[in-house]
Amino acid sequence: KNQVEQSPQSLIILEGKNCTLQCNYTVSPFSNLRWYKQDTGRGPVSLTIMTFSENTKSNGRYTATLDADTKQSSLHITASQLSDSASYICVVSAGDYKLSFGAGTTVTVRA
Amino acid sequence: GAVVSQHPSRVICKSGTSVKIECRSLDFQATTMFWYRQFPKQSLMLMATSNEGSKATYEQGVEKDKFLINHASLTLSTLTVTSAHPEDSSFYICSVSRGLGNEQFFGPGTRLTVL
Repeated sequence: KNQVEQSPQSLIILEGKNCTLQCNYTVSPFSNLRWYKQDTGRGPVSLTIMTFSENTKSNGRYTATLDADTKQSSLHITASQLSDSASYICVVSAGDYKLSFGAGTTVTVRA
Repeated sequence: GAVVSQHPSRVICKSGTSVKIECRSLDFQATTMFWYRQFPKQSLMLMATSNEGSKATYEQGVEKDKFLINHASLTLSTLTVTSAHPEDSSFYICSVSRGLGNEQFFGPGTRLTVL
């Protein structure tokens, strides 16, 4: 069964600090992995997409890593801002139309 | 990317009534549209997939007679929740793509509350 597990479930950080979110997956075959940001009451917005051969990809203060051998990914947020408060969802594609969604990590940034 | 809108953003209805949710692709020919449901603190769950002009394909456990999907054009899909009950209260999100296996772009979601 294709599964995506994220940790931690939630975290609180102070503005300006860094944090790292984890994603482990068992999806096979593997096509790509995306990190999405979902603000409360809004739809998910893509932050990064990584294919099998990519190890690191950055989008501003967001940096995603992928280890396809261990089936792990991480999302690092640098110098967090209050607007980073959201749920971050790891989504893995097996190449067909069905996506496997993680439950998300809720990040709260406090001043 | 694609700009996707949903209407309404929030709706409250009485138990037993029907509610229609629209999903529009504003700048994108959406061959395929998807409908998801998300309960609090849970992942998005795919409900159904629809191709323009064809009947929707429903995921296991999703009642097709309760959740009516119409994908009449390349820019519009509707989800009608018939005879809504409190357990149907959820966040409904649509996504659009140029075809199965292509990138999906998500709408902002519709919060349905059934009293």
